[in-house]
Amino acid sequence: IVLTQSPGTLSLSPGERATLSCRASQSVDDYVAWYQQTSGQAPRLLIYGASSRATGIPDRFSGSGSGTDFTLTISRLEPEDFAVYYCQQYGPSPTFGQGTRVEIK
Amino acid sequence: QVPLVESGGGVVQPGRSLRLSCAASGFTFRNYGMHWVRQAPGKGLEWVALVYHDGSKKYYADSVKGRFSISRDNSQNTLYLEMNSLRTEDTAVYYCAPDPISSRVYGMQAWGRGTTVIVSS
Repeated sequence: IVLTQSPGTLSLSPGERATLSCRASQSVDDYVAWYQQTSGQAPRLLIYGASSRATGIPDRFSGSGSGTDFTLTISRLEPEDFAVYYCQQYGPSPTFGQGTRVEIK
Repeated sequence: QVPLVESGGGVVQPGRSLRLSCAASGFTFRNYGMHWVRQAPGKGLEWVALVYHDGSKKYYADSVKGRFSISRDNSQNTLYLEMNSLRTEDTAVYYCAPDPISSRVYGMQAWGRGTTVIVSS
């Protein structure tokens, strides 16, 4: 299953809303997770089950979607949110999207 | 306390072998499906392999199938990745990570910090 993330790069200012998309080549039900990776760090789980926030994740992060189309929304960008975000489908043969970089405008 | 700590990376020649380990602590390792995920320099995340919580099932990416083997020892709280016939394109940081379904049920969600494998002559 191929995951396609868009856009490749999102240029926004702190306080703005970020909307990241992830499209699957076939249905993955709600077996989608979102990860955040800052430079030089291991990825951090943000969302699982397409819409459930992981432990300790602020409520400005939200996930939605099912089937083939998924969205990660960051309601108001904080300075620490500028990073690369990956979606993942976690069926028996998991795959990741290619990532979306959220950069400071 | 860091829940997952990878080790075993290094510089190795093409065609040679290497075994990575991931030591787990502070949580009930035997409850978790576990993955290896890698990241080549400047690239995105690539899933490598998955083993079920009890070792009963294993899955591999096509890029490593037949060369890599994932295993676990629940008595030692350790995950392994045996890598054979290494290629230059296997150069990456290798992370161990809990399966999101396991994380959802049991709560531990952190990845290890990774271990670096460089395949070069």
